[in-house]
Amino acid sequence: DAGVIQSPRHEVTEMGQEVTLRCKPISGHNSLFWYRQTMMRGLELLIYFNNNVPIDDSGMPEDRFSAKMPNASFSTLKIQPSEPRDSAVYFCASRLQGYSYEQYFGPGTRLTVT
Amino acid sequence: DQQVKQNSPSLSVQEGRISILNCDYTNSMFDYFLWYKKYPAEGPTFLISISSIKDKNEDGRFTVFLNKSAKHLSLHIVPSQPGDSAVYFCAASASNQGGKLIFGQGTELSVKP
Repeated sequence: DAGVIQSPRHEVTEMGQEVTLRCKPISGHNSLFWYRQTMMRGLELLIYFNNNVPIDDSGMPEDRFSAKMPNASFSTLKIQPSEPRDSAVYFCASRLQGYSYEQYFGPGTRLTVT
Repeated sequence: DQQVKQNSPSLSVQEGRISILNCDYTNSMFDYFLWYKKYPAEGPTFLISISSIKDKNEDGRFTVFLNKSAKHLSLHIVPSQPGDSAVYFCAASASNQGGKLIFGQGTELSVKP
């Protein structure tokens, strides 16, 4: 079975450019989470969706960040414009809500903004 | 304010010995706790969990203990193996928070042959 799929795995971009990270959750999972991992702040939740609806975006750092989930099998996290301090590893995770608390993580996207 | 804390950034253990990783939390509403393991360049993978109605859960070499009065949990790995070398994250959730997990900062475990 395919796990959570994220693309790209690595992204290097210049400050001011738009960055789009993509995630395909595990088929059948109805909750999707976006996390960011940095040395300073560890693994922090940015936003999560239940049944494609954003539930809590309180972790989104600024208006430069936005996330969408147009359908049950796809989500994007967009940063526009990007800044060097956005450099981090971004993880997507999915879960079957109502079944267990376990979240299954993708391999992450390492973003470097120069 | 960090609601979930792992105060030891690193731990080194000899192969075959016990590894004990610790985690403290502050939010008394947390009622489910999980441990994740993370290898470099990979996403965290679920390891073991415990509900607040229990004080111990065991799965093979891995045992998680929960002390609610102290707001403390620990992960025991016995015996430790070199393949256990990874970063271990403690996470907590409250049932009224929609499955949201709050993670600790992680502890890097190194198991030496």
